[in-house]
Amino acid sequence: DAKTTQPNSMESNEEEPVHLPCNHSTISGTDYIHWYRQLPSQGPEYVIHGLTSNVNNRMASLAIAEDRKSSTLILHRATLRDAAVYYCILKRSNQAGTALIFGKGTTLSVSS
Amino acid sequence: GAGVSQSPSNKVTEKGKDVELRCDPISGHTALYWYRQSLGQGLEFLIYFQGNSAPDKSGLPSDRFSAERTGGSVSTLTIQRTQQEDSAVYLCASSHSRGAAGELFFGEGSRLTVL
Repeated sequence: DAKTTQPNSMESNEEEPVHLPCNHSTISGTDYIHWYRQLPSQGPEYVIHGLTSNVNNRMASLAIAEDRKSSTLILHRATLRDAAVYYCILKRSNQAGTALIFGKGTTLSVSS
Repeated sequence: GAGVSQSPSNKVTEKGKDVELRCDPISGHTALYWYRQSLGQGLEFLIYFQGNSAPDKSGLPSDRFSAERTGGSVSTLTIQRTQQEDSAVYLCASSHSRGAAGELFFGEGSRLTVL
């Protein structure tokens, strides 16, 4: 399975932008890049996903490198509620469907 | 509700007992996943069901663990002869798509404590 590498932790201040990096140098052409986050004592929630082009939604933006070997999740203005573990995952379709394997993620701390 | 529902939310059992954890996915979702998360750890993939295809059981840690999905909807994860290392939060997720673009919707989890 294609793996992702993320920093263990990052810190941010409230109202500032946050850039969460992810390396996936073994990505294949059919792998989608997914981001999930897990708030304390909750199940993970979907944030955003993309294939080749940069993506924006109400929660975040996803910037994908041209060679697709890395990506960055961008939170434009961090709030205290954004403190969570952020997981970058490669999701691949195959004949039997698609399992989703989580790594350890990045723990984001946000200070006021 | 419209989300993924899991029961029980908390389960305390004695070592050696069997436990069953239930997951009700979102209606119409063909894909269903089980994960577990030990304290302070990341998510560990257990098993994945997609429609009528054979499940991907590659993440089950031992033959004490099994899961079934009846009628393409409700799923039950069974742990036989529980051990203390089985203590964790067991998370279920469902997705409407078998493709790589489909997002997963997670339940709140079932917290299992084995004494």
